[in-house]
Amino acid sequence: AQTVTQSQPEMSVQEAETVTLSCTYDTSESDYYLFWYKQPPSRQMILVIRQEAYKQQNATENRFSVNFQKAAKSFSLKISDSQLGDAAMYFCASSTPNYGGATNKLIFGTGTLLAVQP
Amino acid sequence: ETGVTQTPRHLVMGMTNKKSLKCEQHLGHNAMYWYKQSAKKPLELMFVYSLEERVENNSVPSRFSPECPNSSHLFLHLHTLQPEDSALYLCASSQGTLYRSTDTQYFGPGTRLTVL
Repeated sequence: AQTVTQSQPEMSVQEAETVTLSCTYDTSESDYYLFWYKQPPSRQMILVIRQEAYKQQNATENRFSVNFQKAAKSFSLKISDSQLGDAAMYFCASSTPNYGGATNKLIFGTGTLLAVQP
Repeated sequence: ETGVTQTPRHLVMGMTNKKSLKCEQHLGHNAMYWYKQSAKKPLELMFVYSLEERVENNSVPSRFSPECPNSSHLFLHLHTLQPEDSALYLCASSQGTLYRSTDTQYFGPGTRLTVL
């Protein structure tokens, strides 16, 4: 079974600084996707960034980038130039492909609550 | 409206009430999902629909009854709930191909349910 582990329940960063959130996963699949979602106090789960396991290049999305270490099964999120609006719960998730259907199964970690200090 | 919408945003109900949660996606997707989010626990997948057909039911109690009348709408009918069912209920949708799907799931804002 797939598992996703986020070992940092809470993190804090100063505005304009850089922070890294950790995530490890375990899967027997060779084909999978990894995601970081953000859930602010408004509760809307928002996609931050996505990484395909077969791609060696780390995904980037503006101030957000990942460090994908496939052999170590590690998938950390780096937030550069942190802003007050980045304060939220961040969830790491992995996706198992579904061959023969239009659905996929997302497995979530327990989340890291990020506080941004002005 | 764009994206995935959910109504109501907040719901308080007694254990003997019957209520329904509604989800609508405006993304042209062909798969929809219900998740339960409780405090201090990972998101739990409840139901999955593909092209209006239920493809997964993760051992959810029968007091939760999903309905997917078309690919844009998903309902969760609630009856005789327990206080431990109080949680945030999230709906999501995704677009997959016929043979393989790892596509991104897009979430609605959730319904905060309180069972008294």
